[in-house]
Amino acid sequence: NAGVTQTPKFQVLKTGQSMTLQCAQDMNHNSMYWYRQDPGMGLRLIYYSASEGTTDKGEVPNGYNVSRLNKREFSLRLESAAPSQTSVYFCASSPRVSREQYFGPGTRLTVT
Amino acid sequence: GQQLNQSPQSMFIQEGEDVSMNCTSSSIFNTWLWYKQDPGEGPVLLIALYKAGELTSNGRLTAQFGITRKDSFLNISASIPSDVGIYFCAGLETSGSRLTFGEGTQLTVNP
Repeated sequence: NAGVTQTPKFQVLKTGQSMTLQCAQDMNHNSMYWYRQDPGMGLRLIYYSASEGTTDKGEVPNGYNVSRLNKREFSLRLESAAPSQTSVYFCASSPRVSREQYFGPGTRLTVT
Repeated sequence: GQQLNQSPQSMFIQEGEDVSMNCTSSSIFNTWLWYKQDPGEGPVLLIALYKAGELTSNGRLTAQFGITRKDSFLNISASIPSDVGIYFCAGLETSGSRLTFGEGTQLTVNP
């Protein structure tokens, strides 16, 4: 079992460029999440998907979109990257929303 | 949104010492989780707690779900250098569907 995998590990974008962060889990979990982690801010929820076919906004959704492609995969898209989106992005999954979450290794994004 | 107060923010200890850290909330939680994050890695789940008063161990780690349901504690016994990292608590409110994370405790262990 790989658990939660994320691609890419590192990415540098110019302001205004777009990109999609990929996440996949092989634990047959129903719920998946995207967080960003910034120094001094802890982990903040961007979007989550309680189950296949549903997505909901988290604490900081502005500037992002998500797609729950199937039960395994949950992608995060930046349509027009801004320097404020420089951060480390983590994907996580859980059996359902009220249970423990398991995190991927993260994507380190820099927007110049 | 809901805030979790995690303390201390940082700890500097000698190898072999015991460590205690805690999280408190103004709201009642029905789930408490403790994670550890190493530099450049994602958080790794250490212990999950689902019942008030529950005391759970994972090796040298012990965590408790406070009986008021508003706090949780993590203890590490006989610390070793590989315990270095950031420890996060996370809680789920009774009426909520999303975890709230504390800001972390940075642990440094001197050999």
